[in-house]
Amino acid sequence: GQQVMQIPQYQHVQEGEDFTTYCNSSTTLSNIQWYKQRPGGHPVFLIQLVKSGEVKKQKRLTFQFGEAKKNSSLHITATQTTDVGTYFCALREGSNYKLTFGKGTLLTVNP
Amino acid sequence: SAVISQKPSRDICQRGTSLTIQCQVDSQVTMMFWYRQQPGQSLTLIATANQGSEATYESGFVIDKFPISRPNLTFSTLTVSNMSPEDSSIYLCSAKSGENNEQFFGPGTRLTVL
Repeated sequence: GQQVMQIPQYQHVQEGEDFTTYCNSSTTLSNIQWYKQRPGGHPVFLIQLVKSGEVKKQKRLTFQFGEAKKNSSLHITATQTTDVGTYFCALREGSNYKLTFGKGTLLTVNP
Repeated sequence: SAVISQKPSRDICQRGTSLTIQCQVDSQVTMMFWYRQQPGQSLTLIATANQGSEATYESGFVIDKFPISRPNLTFSTLTVSNMSPEDSSIYLCSAKSGENNEQFFGPGTRLTVL
């Protein structure tokens, strides 16, 4: 199956700073999903991107899908302590809709 | 959307024993999945639980070690058999639902094998 590489592995920011995590693939992706997992919690779905060059926004979060559909990014503007957690990109594959997760980016925010 | 519950939430087990984890969804769903997540790591798919047929296992996971049941569209169980300390992990079930075919996750079962 396809794999996605996610960077960085960790990111520590001061509250108010911006944050970006990237998800890259060597092959063209049909879709990408993003999930957030709070410490001690379970993954929660954020968004799905399917179109080349797609950009979606959720308040301070901006999600992008590359023109070649080989990369995606999640950008958080003016981070808050509530943004703390691990952000995973995931590729939905096959007829059974199974997910292949990236390794995730752990975001910590210093108040 | 789907709300998922898991039992037990955590357990400490002795080597060589087996533990069955239950996953209940509040609505009928076609696809259910079982994942394993080591602390601080990503999620690894164990298998897809198919209703009315055998589960579909990912590479590195076998039915004898992780038997799965899916008796109906709202319920599944995962058994971790003949446990060893290497099986210590968080086990999560999920269900596919929603217009984006996203997955909704249960709260997880934290398993410690001594």
